[in-house]
Amino acid sequence: DAGVIQSPRHEVTEMGQEVTLRCKPISGHDYLFWYRQTMMRGLELLIYFNNNVPIDDSGMPEDRFSAKMPNASFSTLKIQPSEPRDSAVYFCASTIGTSGTEAFFGQGTRLTVV
Amino acid sequence: RKEVEQDPGPFNVPEGATVAFNCTYSNSASQSFFWYRQDCRKEPKLLMSVYSSGNEDGRFTAQLNRASQYISLLIRDSKLSDSATYLCVVNEDYQLIWGAGTKLIIKP
Repeated sequence: DAGVIQSPRHEVTEMGQEVTLRCKPISGHDYLFWYRQTMMRGLELLIYFNNNVPIDDSGMPEDRFSAKMPNASFSTLKIQPSEPRDSAVYFCASTIGTSGTEAFFGQGTRLTVV
Repeated sequence: RKEVEQDPGPFNVPEGATVAFNCTYSNSASQSFFWYRQDCRKEPKLLMSVYSSGNEDGRFTAQLNRASQYISLLIRDSKLSDSATYLCVVNEDYQLIWGAGTKLIIKP
């Protein structure tokens, strides 16, 4: 298995532009998580899905952020419009269940908004 | 918000020394516990799960104290390659709650 695949690996965009981050979870995993990591705030959970259904989006910072999971093998995180404070590394992770199981992370997308 | 707190870093440790990290969690109903390792500019990866009876994997020992609500990680005979950030993770209500991480620097 190729593991969790994220794209792009790096994204530099101008303030106000729309940014779309993509994630392909490991086949057979039924939970998918989107995280954001910064030096100041550490690793923050933004939203997670179970069987393609959003379960908890309380970590999404504001309405500029949205996430979808149209099928079991694909998810997107969209920021519109982007702002410099959105600059961070965004990780996608997947698991089989969440209790006592390992979370497998993608390599992350390093987003810079200028 | 539920919290997981870790020792502040960085820990600067000479090669060969023993180092210990602690992590406290606030929810007594937490179900499972983990230590993850994150190398610079890389994704977190599972180091080891933490069991109630304590568990050991080579130079690494993890322990759980439910009464005091803390988890520990002990690294013996530290190697240069152990330099990384160690993240404490607690499973609460089917959500993974992450500590901010403790940075470990092993010096030759």
